[in-house]
Amino acid sequence: DADVTQTPRNRITKTGKRIMLECSQTKGHDRMYWYRQDPGLGLQLIYYSFDVKDINKGEISDGYSVSRQAQAKFSLSLESAIPNQTALYFCATSEGPGTYNEQFFGPGTRLTVL
Amino acid sequence: GEDVEQSLFLSVREGDSSVINCTYTDSSSTYLYWYKQEPGAGLQLLTYIFSNMDMKQDQRLTVLLNKKDKHLSLRIADTQTGDSAIYFCAETPSGTYKYIFGTGTRLKVLA
Repeated sequence: DADVTQTPRNRITKTGKRIMLECSQTKGHDRMYWYRQDPGLGLQLIYYSFDVKDINKGEISDGYSVSRQAQAKFSLSLESAIPNQTALYFCATSEGPGTYNEQFFGPGTRLTVL
Repeated sequence: GEDVEQSLFLSVREGDSSVINCTYTDSSSTYLYWYKQEPGAGLQLLTYIFSNMDMKQDQRLTVLLNKKDKHLSLRIADTQTGDSAIYFCAETPSGTYKYIFGTGTRLKVLA
C-alpha cells in the first residue's frame, strides 16, 4: 500500500464550486505539505503543517484553506474554485526536524476548473 | 529572488549520457536534492548531496556541486528509455522550513 495517498485522483468542477482534496499518510510523519504544480513553474507551496496544531501559509495560499484533522490527514479546500486553479496538486510529508529533509509525495490530484 | 533555475527540456539518445543542470539560490543550503517525477506520479527522491561534498556517485548517477557558482548538476550515464521523466533539483536553506524546487527539466530519451 502507498505511504501517501490522495483522493480524488482526478476532478473536474465548475467555477464557484467548493472542492476538497484529501491526503492521508501512513509514514507517521509530523510534517505535511500541499503543493501545486503548473507546467514550467515547478512546485509552489500552498500550505504546510508541522503538527496537528501548527498550520502555516506557503507562497500561494490565497483562495485555499486547509485542515489537519489528525497526524495522518491533511485536507486542502478551494472555497470557490476558479479556472486558474486548474493544476496538479500534490501532498507530501517529511519527518523533520533536522537538516536532511526528504519529502515523500502522494500520486497527485489533477483538478480542472471549468 | 528565490528562483531555482533549470532548463525546461533535454533530449538524448538511448545509451548516451544526460546532464541536467540547476542553479540554486542559497549558499546556506545544507543538502541539495534531485527528485524524479515519472508520468502520472508524484516526485520521488533520486539522490542528494551534502553541501561539503563536490561530487557524489551512485551507480549511473553522478551529482556535481559547485558551491562558488551555486551550480548543481546530475549526470545519468547510459541513459535508458525508463529515465524519461521530469527531474527537479531542490534546496533547503538552513534554518528555514522551506523546500525550494526548481522548475523541472523534462528528459526525453530517444530509442
